[in-house]
Amino acid sequence: DQQVKQNSPSLSVQEGRISILNCDYTNSMFDYFLWYKKYPAEGPTFLISISSIKDKNEDGRFTVFLNKSAKHLSLHIVPSQPGDSAVYFCAASYLQMNYGGSQGNLIFGKGTKLSVKP
Amino acid sequence: EPEVTQTPSHQVTQMGQEVILRCVPISNHLYFYWYRQILGQKVEFLVSFYNNEISEKSEIFDDQFSVERPDGSNFTLKIRSTKLEDSAMYFCASSSSMVGTEAFFGQGTRLTVV
Repeated sequence: DQQVKQNSPSLSVQEGRISILNCDYTNSMFDYFLWYKKYPAEGPTFLISISSIKDKNEDGRFTVFLNKSAKHLSLHIVPSQPGDSAVYFCAASYLQMNYGGSQGNLIFGKGTKLSVKP
Repeated sequence: EPEVTQTPSHQVTQMGQEVILRCVPISNHLYFYWYRQILGQKVEFLVSFYNNEISEKSEIFDDQFSVERPDGSNFTLKIRSTKLEDSAMYFCASSSSMVGTEAFFGQGTRLTVV
């Protein structure tokens, strides 16, 4: 049961152009979405996030768009740089009320390997 | 910059042996997690921990697994009687609050069961 899907295992883009990474989700309870970047032999590094009350969040070269009706989000990187080459994971969470507090565990997609060619 | 640290970076163990993976979360964080990534597959949630008890666990986290925060700084994952299919990268993560803040990940421990 894949609640978070990244259907493109890889993407190749020329330096300076836009990279668009896509993510679909099935669970309408998700209310917070994150993108992580992962280099080989390292842990995922947080990149950018968006709450379900927004449809766009921008941070420098990175912009995340959320389309709740389509249960789709995308990460735009512009301009793309060779150092952006990595695996990008989409992740989603929702607030769960537990005894003593509340918590949101991250559900990850399978990742998209981005290659930015000089 | 504060970071999550994990030791060892690589652990090789024989099938059936017990292993303990160690993590030092960021000091003011309250929520702790273990994830794993089998080679070529997605990052999977194992367990979350808050207030000295498990908050949530996945189907993967069966009786073979346990977590502990023995001394207020370390956060450990114990795997009893390891199986070949336990071979994976194990990531520890911590966050300062509930959903709405990002989790910070450690570099991971590569576990190889032979």
